[in-house]
Amino acid sequence: SQTIHQWPATLVQPVGSPLSLECTVEGTSNPNLYWYRQAAGRGLQLLFYSVGIGQISSEVPQNLSASRPQDRQFILSSKKLLLSDSGFYLCAWSLLGSGGNTIYFGEGSWLTVV
Amino acid sequence: RKEVEQDPGPFNVPEGATVAFNCTYSNSASQSFFWYRQDCRKEPKLLMSVYSSGNEDGRFTAQLNRASQYISLLIRDSKLSDSATYLCAVNYGGSQGNLIFGKGTKLSVKP
Repeated sequence: SQTIHQWPATLVQPVGSPLSLECTVEGTSNPNLYWYRQAAGRGLQLLFYSVGIGQISSEVPQNLSASRPQDRQFILSSKKLLLSDSGFYLCAWSLLGSGGNTIYFGEGSWLTVV
Repeated sequence: RKEVEQDPGPFNVPEGATVAFNCTYSNSASQSFFWYRQDCRKEPKLLMSVYSSGNEDGRFTAQLNRASQYISLLIRDSKLSDSATYLCAVNYGGSQGNLIFGKGTKLSVKP
């Protein structure tokens, strides 16, 4: 069966510091991969998605970036964090043709920028 | 503009009650619809897909109304453990388009 893991689960970072969140998927090949953010009082916002290695699409302009160095690895980064980057970051995966793009989430990473 | 709207609630209901949530979407070309459940400070988990003919899974029933562009979730015989936030999700951009989520409806089931 497929599993998805992301880490770290929680982190507190000062403004201006870098960020790296990592996500891996097991038990499947060539998944679509996603990074969502859920800020306090707001819905899930799609940040990036990827349909293959090295292929990244950005949904919103921001100071974050994403990379997919391997088929089942997805990384979210920032060079300099802002206070507004605080939130709950969720990695997710789906398979083309699978139930109309059903997506499954990792456990999430809580980021607090101070 | 991509929009998925939900009543934020909270819905406070007693155990055993029946409760229904609606979710409206703006893109008439959407083809995939889902309900997710999210517990406090946890990731959303797929509750059920929503099919054109409607579908049922135990105490949960999901329905799609394409003409009015909304989906619904009915929970019968509510349990304390049903307390959570329920998110609807709708795809945009074709059958494999990305999912857009509503902000969620919070349900609190009281003894």
